[in-house]
Amino acid sequence: GDSVTQMEGPVTLSEEAFLTINCTYTATGYPSLFWYVQYPGEGLQLLLKATKADDKGSNKGFEATYRKETTSFHLEKGSVQVSDSAVYFCALRGQRGSTLGRLYFGRGTQLTVWP
Amino acid sequence: EAQVTQNPRYLITVTGKKLTVTCSQNMNHEYMSWYRQDPGLGLRQIYYSMNVEVTDKGDVPEGYKVSRKEKRNFPLILESPSPNQTSLYFCASSLTSSSYEQYFGPGTRLTVT
Repeated sequence: GDSVTQMEGPVTLSEEAFLTINCTYTATGYPSLFWYVQYPGEGLQLLLKATKADDKGSNKGFEATYRKETTSFHLEKGSVQVSDSAVYFCALRGQRGSTLGRLYFGRGTQLTVWP
Repeated sequence: EAQVTQNPRYLITVTGKKLTVTCSQNMNHEYMSWYRQDPGLGLRQIYYSMNVEVTDKGDVPEGYKVSRKEKRNFPLILESPSPNQTSLYFCASSLTSSSYEQYFGPGTRLTVT
């Protein structure tokens, strides 16, 4: 079945450091891929998405490219800020029938950025 | 303001005492679902609803019930809660099941003793 494997955390960085959080997926076909962010005490918010192979999603300085060859969707940011401290979830969306609309999440990666 | 609301935000209860967690959205969304979040497991879907009166099981439906009598509301019912249902619960909605963005509520932290 569909699944997402995400780099385990926690990840601790200094402000302005480069961030990479790895995400790979298993699915039949080419599902839409997402990164969600969860700030402390809040629900999840969509950070970025890619709906087809080679698409690059971007938002708030974060980027991720849909790589079908490696079935990956790694999250990157060139210079993190303290305000980026949160839990990041990689997800894919089910593609057919009863799974359409269902999001399959990775385990989440806690990011802490120190000033 | 467009949002998904959940109540209560925090709940401590005892085994076997029926409870309901409410979920409401004001965006006229057709698709709604419930997820539970557990450490090391990410979020897993419990139940979903494609529209009014149309509900179906997700990946982990055991011990839960839902109903969708109105478009805006999608309550989660635990008829006889057990300690293994201690978790963080999220309600989510989207315009349709094929919409890219899902909107999540703030979460309900449930503890069953």
